[in-house]
Amino acid sequence: GDSVTQMEGPVTLSEEAFLTINCTYTATGYPSLFWYVQYPGEGLQLLLKATKADDKGSNKGFEATYRKETTSFHLEKGSVQVSDSAVYFCALDKYNFNKFYFGSGTKLNVKP
Amino acid sequence: NAGVTQTPKFQVLKTGQSMTLQCAQDMNHNSMYWYRQDPGMGLRLIYYSASEGTTDKGEVPNGYNVSRLNKREFSLRLESAAPSQTSVYFCASTGGELFFGEGSRLTVL
Repeated sequence: GDSVTQMEGPVTLSEEAFLTINCTYTATGYPSLFWYVQYPGEGLQLLLKATKADDKGSNKGFEATYRKETTSFHLEKGSVQVSDSAVYFCALDKYNFNKFYFGSGTKLNVKP
Repeated sequence: NAGVTQTPKFQVLKTGQSMTLQCAQDMNHNSMYWYRQDPGMGLRLIYYSASEGTTDKGEVPNGYNVSRLNKREFSLRLESAAPSQTSVYFCASTGGELFFGEGSRLTVL
């Protein structure tokens, strides 16, 4: 079945370090891919998305490229800030059914 | 500019009690969802509704019922709460990307 696998956390980085959070997916067809972020005590909010192969989603300095050949959508940021500390979820959407599948989440801690 | 609103934000129940979580969205979305979030488990889909008048089971529907009252509202009911239902519950709606409510933290003693 359709699924999303992302690296386990927590990931602890110093401010200004480079961030990568890996995400791979299993799905038939051509799903849309998303990264959502959850700050402490809040609901999830969309960070970025890509709807077709080779698309790059970007927002707030974060980027992710839809790689169909490797079924991956890794999240990257060149220089993290303390305010980026949150839980990050990779997700896919089988558009025809409008059903979303989430990874288990990766907690990021950024230290000053 | 409310988006997705869910109530209550916090609730403590005793085993066997019933309760309903309410959710409303003002974005005219057709599809609505209920998820639960548990530590280390990510989000798991309980039920979803692709349109007014339809509901379907997700990954973990046992112990829950839902009602799509109209296009705006989608409620989740626990008929006989169990400690295993202690969790944070999120309602969401979509017009292409998911919009989430702030969550409802439920504790079943």
